[in-house]
Amino acid sequence: DIVMTQSPLSLPVTLGQPASISCRSSQSLVHSNGNTYLNWFQQRPGQSPRRLIYEVSKRDSGVPDRFSGSGSGTDFTLKISRVEAEDVGVYYCMQGTHWPPVTFGGGTKVEIK
Amino acid sequence: QVQLVESGGGVVQPGRSLRLSCAASGFIFSSYGMHWVRQAPGKGLEWVAVIWYDGTKKYYADSVKGRFTISRDSSKNTLYLQMNSLRDEDTAVYYCVRDSGVIGPEFDYWGRGTQVTVSS
Repeated sequence: DIVMTQSPLSLPVTLGQPASISCRSSQSLVHSNGNTYLNWFQQRPGQSPRRLIYEVSKRDSGVPDRFSGSGSGTDFTLKISRVEAEDVGVYYCMQGTHWPPVTFGGGTKVEIK
Repeated sequence: QVQLVESGGGVVQPGRSLRLSCAASGFIFSSYGMHWVRQAPGKGLEWVAVIWYDGTKKYYADSVKGRFTISRDSSKNTLYLQMNSLRDEDTAVYYCVRDSGVIGPEFDYWGRGTQVTVSS
């Protein structure tokens, strides 16, 4: 199974400042069809997860453009250009290239300093 | 709009059974694969099972294989998870998730979840 490793575990950020979360996979996530099935989810306190980014860098409808995804192969990054109070929560990466099983990273908790 | 509403959770003793349901609306249920994903208290997300849009294929996490069964009834727009031989470690919020992907799973809609607590 593919192991997804996120860092850091916790990320205190000042409002208005950027934030960056890393996600590494134990194998390349490039599918034989050339696509890379790497997703990012946000889970606000007390809520269900919500997808932000799919296929590394495609933003879901309604997701603010301060969120961006990048990376390739085994190394991926979620960036928030200017953190707002509503961005507090836990962020998860997920791979869907080598499945089943689908595997998630352990999560990164974003909080305001 | 797409809605996924889970039900059937509760407190159950180890070794007993429980059946979860997920009522889907706002989309053509029979056209989408569906998953269950769970989250233990204070922990991360764990994929549990998937069923193909037409019910022909089903896959499970190793942690539940042989104990859980995923199924669907497209006439009722409902997804199910039959959970047998429950263990303490099955305690979690269980989410029903729609898959809009063709190759890789695309988890575009999640339900609010239903709490399952396994305790004597």
